[in-house]
Amino acid sequence: ETGVTQTPRHLVMGMTNKKSLKCEQHLGHNAMYWYKQSAKKPLELMFVYNFKEQTENNSVPSRFSPECPNSSHLFLHLHTLQPEDSALYLCASSPTGEAGNTIYFGEGSWLTVV
Amino acid sequence: GNSVTQMEGPVTLSEEAFLTINCTYTATGYPSLFWYVQYPGEGLQLLLKATKADDKGSNKGFEATYRKETTSFHLEKGSVQVSDSAVYFCALSGDSSASKIIFGSGTRLSIRP
Repeated sequence: ETGVTQTPRHLVMGMTNKKSLKCEQHLGHNAMYWYKQSAKKPLELMFVYNFKEQTENNSVPSRFSPECPNSSHLFLHLHTLQPEDSALYLCASSPTGEAGNTIYFGEGSWLTVV
Repeated sequence: GNSVTQMEGPVTLSEEAFLTINCTYTATGYPSLFWYVQYPGEGLQLLLKATKADDKGSNKGFEATYRKETTSFHLEKGSVQVSDSAVYFCALSGDSSASKIIFGSGTRLSIRP
């Protein structure tokens, strides 16, 4: 059982919909991450939060909007997505954002944009 | 910059065969090295890690040794099982931040009964 929980596990949305992905970690960590995993592509880091502050935005389009209300919760708000945004979105956490920390992943949210 | 190169898949083996998945890296400083595993329909799970040269990470019968002289972190298992079928990712965390963890492209492993 993972200490990082993501909901929903599966989401189908239209291009005009607004939806959110939720992530909660029970590990007492202070850094949280969103990754995108597409077929036949390397894992892509999207956003990083360290102690609730966004420390990295990896040139992600504004139709993806992260929110980190506290160190245990992370959201990814989705708005007017494109079919090519269909992918597995992985949330992860680590004790801090410092080098050498192990990153722990959730099971992912499968997103299909129709 | 830092990079990770791992062997192309898919790799198909028979049960009880010996497994090696090669991983080499390029990095400045002293990175930490990881192997993650992704079972079908799931997220990535940490399999093992090593944080300094000559360290050996091990878990569930898998092993990998941090070799600085050959810049390698090859994953090995002496006798694979059908349940080991998954995608394996080699990863590197540089000496600046954990968010700079770099993943290899993944190697899909299939084990035949």
